[in-house]
Amino acid sequence: EDQVTQSPEALRLQEGESSSLNCSYTVSGLRGLFWYRQDPGKGPEFLFTLYSAGEEKEKERLKATLTKKESFLHITAPKPEDSATYLCAGTSGNQFYFGTGTSLTVIP
Amino acid sequence: EAQVTQNPRYLITVTGKKLTVTCSQNMNHEYMSWYRQDPGLGLRQIYYSMNVEVTDKGDVPEGYKVSRKEKRNFPLILESPSPNQTSLYFCASSFGASYGYTFGSGTRLTVV
Repeated sequence: EDQVTQSPEALRLQEGESSSLNCSYTVSGLRGLFWYRQDPGKGPEFLFTLYSAGEEKEKERLKATLTKKESFLHITAPKPEDSATYLCAGTSGNQFYFGTGTSLTVIP
Repeated sequence: EAQVTQNPRYLITVTGKKLTVTCSQNMNHEYMSWYRQDPGLGLRQIYYSMNVEVTDKGDVPEGYKVSRKEKRNFPLILESPSPNQTSLYFCASSFGASYGYTFGSGTRLTVV
């Protein structure tokens, strides 16, 4: 069964305290692994797509990496405005499988 | 501004009363999809469309219908809503299945 699992469910960090979010997947013939950010009451906002193992992408304090079994979203020196729920999703073609997200809180 | 527009944002209805949630995108995207988001279950795909007149079921299609008569529009139809369809619904679009989505702002549906 194709699925995506995220951990931890929730994470509290002090401002400046770097950490990583995990996304493990069992999606047959993965054609893309996506990361999104979702703020309360809003639709998810696209961050990154990773297509093959070993690929890395960066945006400001965020860096996403991909292996054959999992993806990591590394957050370096986070700020309070990075507080949000981070979602990952995999696709094998036309169907998408989302994880349940990691709720990140960054404390000033 | 490039966007996906859903209407309405909030809707309270009664069991069995047919309703339509509209979705429109202005980015000339070929791929469109509907999701529902429930606590603890995450986003689950209801239906998707790869292009005009081409639609297919996602993970949770029961009780829903869609149509794609024009490239920009992808309405979600609930013919006979039931309380278990109370949820937050999102429409999304992209250039293709391997590209990142642009999501709408969501429709919070309550069926009583």
